[in-house]
Amino acid sequence: EAGVAQSPRYKIIEKRQSVAFWCNPISGHATLYWYQQILGQGPKLLIQFQNNGVVDDSQLPKDRFSAERLKGVDSTLKIQPAKLEDSAVYLCASSPLRLAGNTGELFFGEGSRLTVL
Amino acid sequence: KNEVEQSPQNLTAQEGEFITINCSYSVGISALHWLQQHPGGGIVSLFMLSSGKKKHGRLIATINIQEKHSSLHITASHPRDSAVYICAVKHTGTASKLTFGTGTRLQVTL
Repeated sequence: EAGVAQSPRYKIIEKRQSVAFWCNPISGHATLYWYQQILGQGPKLLIQFQNNGVVDDSQLPKDRFSAERLKGVDSTLKIQPAKLEDSAVYLCASSPLRLAGNTGELFFGEGSRLTVL
Repeated sequence: KNEVEQSPQNLTAQEGEFITINCSYSVGISALHWLQQHPGGGIVSLFMLSSGKKKHGRLIATINIQEKHSSLHITASHPRDSAVYICAVKHTGTASKLTFGTGTRLQVTL
């Protein structure tokens, strides 16, 4: 089975520029997460989708970050304009929806490393 | 105080040693994940627990729901076990909300 695909793997931009990351989850996985992982820290949830609906975006800096999951499959995460503190790895993860207990296994992509200069 | 605390933050061990990494949490959970992240690499799910104990090869994970505590054990450690180990909890009452610990950086030397 193909894993979670992310692109680009690496991106270097200057502050105030914009960037977009793409994620293709495992086929059939209803839940998709975007995480931000700053060097030396654990991942921080930015946004969680269930199918094409947003479940949790409470930690998404909505003045500059946006995300969408059209048709409940692929997702894009955009940053506009970028700040220096946005330098991080952006991880996408997906999990299947379990009808009992909702304890689906997690699968992560390789991540997209962003450097803002 | 973080909802998920891991200890130790850093751990150095010699090859062959038995290793324990701890995770304590303060929220109600439906499941707990142990994850492994190699330098520059993606994250791999090692275990998902909701009770008791699971074993896979040299890795053992246990959870005590009453004490809100989980441990990850590595027997006969090897340099290839060097990685960051992350505990993540799935909250009850919300649709799969996950909170991550900050990770334990393990270095196994020859």
